[in-house]
Amino acid sequence: GAVVSQHPSRVICKSGTSVKIECRSLDFQATTMFWYRQFPKQSLMLMATSNEGSKATYEQGVEKDKFLINHASLTLSTLTVTSAHPEDSSFYICSASWGLGRGEQYFGPGTRLTVT
Amino acid sequence: KNEVEQSPQNLTAQEGEFITINCSYSVGISALHWLQQHPGGGIVSLFMLSSGKKKHGRLIATINIQEKHSSLHITASHPRDSAVYICAVVGADGLTFGKGTHLIIQP
Repeated sequence: GAVVSQHPSRVICKSGTSVKIECRSLDFQATTMFWYRQFPKQSLMLMATSNEGSKATYEQGVEKDKFLINHASLTLSTLTVTSAHPEDSSFYICSASWGLGRGEQYFGPGTRLTVT
Repeated sequence: KNEVEQSPQNLTAQEGEFITINCSYSVGISALHWLQQHPGGGIVSLFMLSSGKKKHGRLIATINIQEKHSSLHITASHPRDSAVYICAVVGADGLTFGKGTHLIIQP
């Protein structure tokens, strides 16, 4: 099946710094990528949807200036957490789809961010 | 908005037991995912199905579209199956996730 990778798998950063997380579709072209966030013991929550070559669509309550998403190519999307704070510590997961709909999504393994 | 209910929330079983995890949803969907999340957080996509049944190794997933219900079965369970299993449904407004079932398989 389709493979999606994320890098890094774990990252620890200091408060005030920025962190970039990469999401790659390894064996297919992803026209759409999704970024999710998971707080401890909670469900995954959609943060934003990005289509290749266009601006990401953010869900209500997600700060677009804080969570910068770039989908520059059909195989790569990046999420940059800017000026990170301890409350940004979370598990971030991406998924990728080659369709226009959200049915065929393939999930990355996730990235655990800890901000100290 | 789709309501996704998983049961049980927590399940502890002995190695070798047959495990069933259930997922019910309230609104018609186009597809359903079963995900496995290990204690370290890593997500593994187990199945994506829109009808019938799929099997992969000791895992079997079924879905009944009319009854809006899916089950994930694990045969000959093993301690390495211990994880959180998450059901996610694909509807008109995107993915809706269940809260997960925390499975512990004791040796």
